[in-house]
Amino acid sequence: EADIYQTPRYLVIGTGKKITLECSQTMGHDKMYWYQQDPGMELHLIHYSYGVNSTEKGDLSSESTVSRIRTEHFPLTLESARPSHTSQYLCASSDPVGQGDEKLFFGSGTQLSVL
Amino acid sequence: RKEVEQDPGPFNVPEGATVAFNCTYSNSASQSFFWYRQDCRKEPKLLMSVYSSGNEDGRFTAQLNRASQYISLLIRDSKLSDSATYLCVVREDPGGSYIPTFGRGTSLIVHP
Repeated sequence: EADIYQTPRYLVIGTGKKITLECSQTMGHDKMYWYQQDPGMELHLIHYSYGVNSTEKGDLSSESTVSRIRTEHFPLTLESARPSHTSQYLCASSDPVGQGDEKLFFGSGTQLSVL
Repeated sequence: RKEVEQDPGPFNVPEGATVAFNCTYSNSASQSFFWYRQDCRKEPKLLMSVYSSGNEDGRFTAQLNRASQYISLLIRDSKLSDSATYLCVVREDPGGSYIPTFGRGTSLIVHP
């Protein structure tokens, strides 16, 4: 089983609120990712990180930010939530950088609803 | 054009049937290929990697065709528990970053 945890599991919040989705892993993985997934649709990469103090933008990053101060922690922040942000957010980590056959481990996800 | 394309299905098959899924990718420089399984409202989990020579894991067989840029997954003797969405994942290499790109997934329903 993967040792990667996301909180909260479900979140209902009003428009304009600032929110932070938490993601932690205890496997010592360098690479971490945030994906957004709507029902029946593909995962879209929001942000990723190669390691501490490294963050990169994915396809849907313009409305969110991430930080990587510690290896095990990769929080995602929405400065001002909007109804269009309603979705499932999945955090993942993978094996050390440079190995092509990296296996992704996913957290259980955060289901966000913005009213 | 999407980078990774899959027939969304659903594929509705009886127990014991053999079913095959295909996936095409657009980036010829793609390096690594995988199939993930995602149950309803759950996170994706790795089913198997896909190697150039093809590989098998029990009832599951994966094939890669680099010339035509597609990968396939064959499931033999389908079980009820195989019902899930199967995600094709391609790991590209833009500057060595190995970013995984997911297909939309193919839904499989195995019925008694």
